[in-house]
Amino acid sequence: QKEVEQDPGPLSVPEGAIVSLNCTYSNSAFQYFMWYRQYSRKGPELLMYTYSSGNKEDGRFTAQVDKSSKYISLFIRDSQPSDSATYLCAMSAWGATNKLIFGTGTLLAVQP
Amino acid sequence: GAVVSQHPSWVICKSGTSVKIECRSLDFQATTMFWYRQFPKQSLMLMATSNEGSKATYEQGVEKDKFLINHASLTLSTLTVTSAHPEDSSFYICSNQDADREGNEQFFGPGTRLTVL
Repeated sequence: QKEVEQDPGPLSVPEGAIVSLNCTYSNSAFQYFMWYRQYSRKGPELLMYTYSSGNKEDGRFTAQVDKSSKYISLFIRDSQPSDSATYLCAMSAWGATNKLIFGTGTLLAVQP
Repeated sequence: GAVVSQHPSWVICKSGTSVKIECRSLDFQATTMFWYRQFPKQSLMLMATSNEGSKATYEQGVEKDKFLINHASLTLSTLTVTSAHPEDSSFYICSNQDADREGNEQFFGPGTRLTVL
């Protein structure tokens, strides 16, 4: 079993839809949770960073962490064609090696 | 977010030659830098972790003599692919981490596409 599981998609939605992206994980030591967006042939861009459980909102993006269920989500409201990209979840435990464990990424296509 | 640059953005080389890729942290001091490779439609694969002034720590299966990493300063790390072969063709991405931040966010460069003929 992988430490982080993420549905690779592809996920296709119409413009304006609410998008829900999810990851599950198995390591209860993870405390830092991130979502990255990666456009084709570009480096990943940090979208959201959350520490421990709870919600965080930034514009059209909302990140949720449920540590009891080992489940994290990213919601995109009023999705736009420019949101079409691969979304990667990443997480790490406190201290130690500082390495991030990535999901495989979900390919999102927002149709105009 | 922090700004990370990579150079070159793409390179084509002949089999057997060596290629050097630079990764620069432009607006903060990166105590730790990471090198990843990414094959088409796959996720990031961590190759090695380097701390400034120390030898890099390589992931299992990554040949340290083939992928030479130097992290001589807090703003510059280099990855040299020695005696490159076609199977080394990939997208190489560096990321930087600031030890002063509580979290473990990594800020990625734009990537370097290497094609070995």
